[in-house]
Amino acid sequence: AQSVSQHNHHVILSEAASLELGCNYSYGGTVNLFWYVQYPGQHLQLLLKYFSGDPLVKGIKGFEAEFIKSKFSFNLRKPSVQWSDTAEYFCAVNGDSNYQLIWGAGTKLIIKP
Amino acid sequence: GAVVSQHPSRVICKSGTSVKIECRSLDFQATTMFWYRQFPKQSLMLMATSNEGSKATYEQGVEKDKFLINHASLTLSTLTVTSAHPEDSSFYICSATGRPNNEQFFGPGTRLTVL
Repeated sequence: AQSVSQHNHHVILSEAASLELGCNYSYGGTVNLFWYVQYPGQHLQLLLKYFSGDPLVKGIKGFEAEFIKSKFSFNLRKPSVQWSDTAEYFCAVNGDSNYQLIWGAGTKLIIKP
Repeated sequence: GAVVSQHPSRVICKSGTSVKIECRSLDFQATTMFWYRQFPKQSLMLMATSNEGSKATYEQGVEKDKFLINHASLTLSTLTVTSAHPEDSSFYICSATGRPNNEQFFGPGTRLTVL
């Protein structure tokens, strides 16, 4: 079955701490992977995406994610978080032949100033 | 990136009435639009997929007679919540894709409150 698992539902960090949000997926065939962010009171925005090529992808606002095919993972990282990174983060996957997204449950990230 | 708008952003209605939510792709032609519902403290739930000019495909458990979807043009899809009830109160989000590819562009969402 197709699914996306995000390991943590809530993460609380202090400013300047390093961040890693886990995402594992189960999906047959070639995958495309996404991280979306939803800031409080705002709509979903694409943070970064992986289609092919370099498995380390860089997104907006200093975020990056690494696709590890052998581990079926696409973890999101940021070396030093800011208070403004407080948001909910969603991992999602689809395939080349089916662009319907399969969503993770989301991770609420709270950064303490 | 491409822009998707939704209207209205917030709507409050009485129980038993119908509410229409519009989703527009402003600068591209959306061959496929998706409608999601977001419950508090939960992830997005796909309700239906609509392709321009054809009937929407509903996910299991979503009542097609209650959530009417019309994708009449390449830039507009509408979701009508018929005979709304308080349990229909939620955040409804649409997204659109303009090609058989991988990226969806999301609208800002519509907060529906049914009294």
